[in-house]
Amino acid sequence: AQSVTQLDSQVPVFEEAPVELRCNYSSSVSVYLFWYVQYPNQGLQLLLKYLSGSTLVKGINGFEAEFNKSQTSFHLRKPSVHISDTAEYFCAVTETRGGSNYKLTFGKGTLLTVNP
Amino acid sequence: EAQVTQNPRYLITVTGKKLTVTCSQNMNHEYMSWYRQDPGLGLRQIYYSMNVEVTDKGDVPEGYKVSRKEKRNFPLILESPSPNQTSLYFCASSFANTPLHFGNGTRLTVT
Repeated sequence: AQSVTQLDSQVPVFEEAPVELRCNYSSSVSVYLFWYVQYPNQGLQLLLKYLSGSTLVKGINGFEAEFNKSQTSFHLRKPSVHISDTAEYFCAVTETRGGSNYKLTFGKGTLLTVNP
Repeated sequence: EAQVTQNPRYLITVTGKKLTVTCSQNMNHEYMSWYRQDPGLGLRQIYYSMNVEVTDKGDVPEGYKVSRKEKRNFPLILESPSPNQTSLYFCASSFANTPLHFGNGTRLTVT
């Protein structure tokens, strides 16, 4: 069975500082990986995804993530955050068999708070 | 506009009173799913459907039912709600191998 661990439940940072949100996964087979963002009182929207190919994935709003198979990690980074990046971020994994959304498993979330 | 629509957005009910949360998508997606979101637990899958008349249990199906009689609709049914089903519920849909589209959520309180 697959699982996702988001190592930090809360990450406070100052505006224009860099940020890294950490995600580790566990699976016995090949996986697809995702990062979703949830702004207050809204549903989730996709930030970026890794399906195959280059291990460095670029997403919306200046975010990027790197897939590291040996460390089973998929950390999310942004070089300079804005106040508007304040949100909860979810890492998610699914096994490649059965399609990319079959039994998607989410981490518990990381609340990113950007302070002025 | 492509969207997943959930109704109602907010619902307060009492223990044991049957309720249905509706979910409709206008993108002709085959795949639909229900999640519940609880503080500190992230999102957990309740049920999913790969296509019409095809449904399967997720990680936390107890106390819930679903049906998929037509492609666009995937209602979530709580036959006898209990306080531990107080939660924020999300419906999502997609084609295979494409990202999920989420609804805006239904906040359910069971007293």
